[in-house]
Amino acid sequence: DAGVTQSPTHLIKTRGQQVTLRCSPKSGHDTVSWYQQALGQGPQFIFQYYEEEERQRGNFPDRFSGHQFPNYSSELNVNALLLGDSALYLCASSLWGDSRGYEQYFGPGTRLTVT
Amino acid sequence: GQNIDQPTEMTATEGAIVQINCTYQTSGFNGLFWYQQHAGEAPTFLSYNVLDGLEEKGRFSSFLSRSKGYSYLLLKELQMKDSASYLCAVRDNDQAGTALIFGKGTTLSVSS
Repeated sequence: DAGVTQSPTHLIKTRGQQVTLRCSPKSGHDTVSWYQQALGQGPQFIFQYYEEEERQRGNFPDRFSGHQFPNYSSELNVNALLLGDSALYLCASSLWGDSRGYEQYFGPGTRLTVT
Repeated sequence: GQNIDQPTEMTATEGAIVQINCTYQTSGFNGLFWYQQHAGEAPTFLSYNVLDGLEEKGRFSSFLSRSKGYSYLLLKELQMKDSASYLCAVRDNDQAGTALIFGKGTTLSVSS
């Protein structure tokens, strides 16, 4: 049973470019959340997708957008990259309506470096 | 606003007991979580509290006081492999969906 997978593992981009990160949730999960974790900080919630719709959004600019596909996998897109976007991007999958919430499994992350 | 505070760093020795505190101020409350994160890896779930009191799971225990906006994670019989960052996180509403608000994490260093 595969856990949460993310691709790519590492990525280097230049300021102003655009990037797409991908996530496949754990088998049986239908909800994907994206977090940004800067070095030495805790993860910050970007947004969450369920039934191919954005359900919640954190305090991130519109440069950050996403998508969820019918197979529950998800993409995170960041446009007009800034140096400050350099971070570890974590995907977490869960089951919608799970009242306990701890069944949120994190993927290994994508390390994005913007130069 | 939403605020979760925890110490930045802690050190301890093998075999000892360490307590990592977390205080939170959020608009709502529907559960507090502790995650462990080794350097360069994904956070892994350790514990969950939604009611006041102590939850014990092996060497790890977590306590919650909702009236005080306070939690702690207690690690007993420390091992070198416990060296990691410990993240306190709160879910601030009871709506469907599981977005979490994280603290900055506490880096624990265990020495022999």
